Amino acid sequence: SAVISQKPSRDICQRGTSLTIQCQVDSQVTMMFWYRQQPGQSLTLIATANQGSEATYESGFVIDKFPISRPNLTFSTLTVSNMSPEDSSIYLCSVESQAGETQYFGPGTRLLVL
Amino acid sequence: AQTVTQSQPEMSVQEAETVTLSCTYDTSESDYYLFWYKQPPSRQMILVIRQEAYKQQNATENRFSVNFQKAAKSFSLKISDSQLGDAAMYFCAYRSLNTGTASKLTFGTGTRLQVTL
Repeated sequence: SAVISQKPSRDICQRGTSLTIQCQVDSQVTMMFWYRQQPGQSLTLIATANQGSEATYESGFVIDKFPISRPNLTFSTLTVSNMSPEDSSIYLCSVESQAGETQYFGPGTRLLVL
Repeated sequence: AQTVTQSQPEMSVQEAETVTLSCTYDTSESDYYLFWYKQPPSRQMILVIRQEAYKQQNATENRFSVNFQKAAKSFSLKISDSQLGDAAMYFCAYRSLNTGTASKLTFGTGTRLQVTL
């Protein structure tokens, strides 16, 4: 399985500001995913990020609010823009195994927006 | 669209006992993967077990095993000899093999498992 790290692990932000979350993988992967987990809830996919192409967003999520970069095969960032308290969540990145069978998750970033 | 249902918001088991967590799903596809993930308070999502729909044999990983009933669209997780470290939120997830939606995981709402002495 891949080793995935995320920065920051947690943050407290003021409404109206933006936060960029980094996801680093210890091996090259084709597909990376960003999920949101609202307090006490399940995980919801925000977008899929392939290297060298635009991210694909799920219904209800837009690029202006959650811009994603994928500059290479081991790294991705998710920005939460113009934050409001409703954006308070855990944000997790995941990667697909080389065989494409399984997703492995990073430790998550806990975001609190005041 | 696929849906995943976990009807048990909370479960409790005594240490060393066995517990079964339920999961049902809805799909029109014939080939897919099913997963159980564990999320302890540290919030790291950890893969517990994977089942390929084309396999009739139930997957097992040490103390963890599944009961996969494809016709019934049921995918329960059995934890044997429960340990305190098993206490966590458990999520059931579905992964389509359709190339149009490939790789996307659809999660259930989770079951919180408590392990008591």
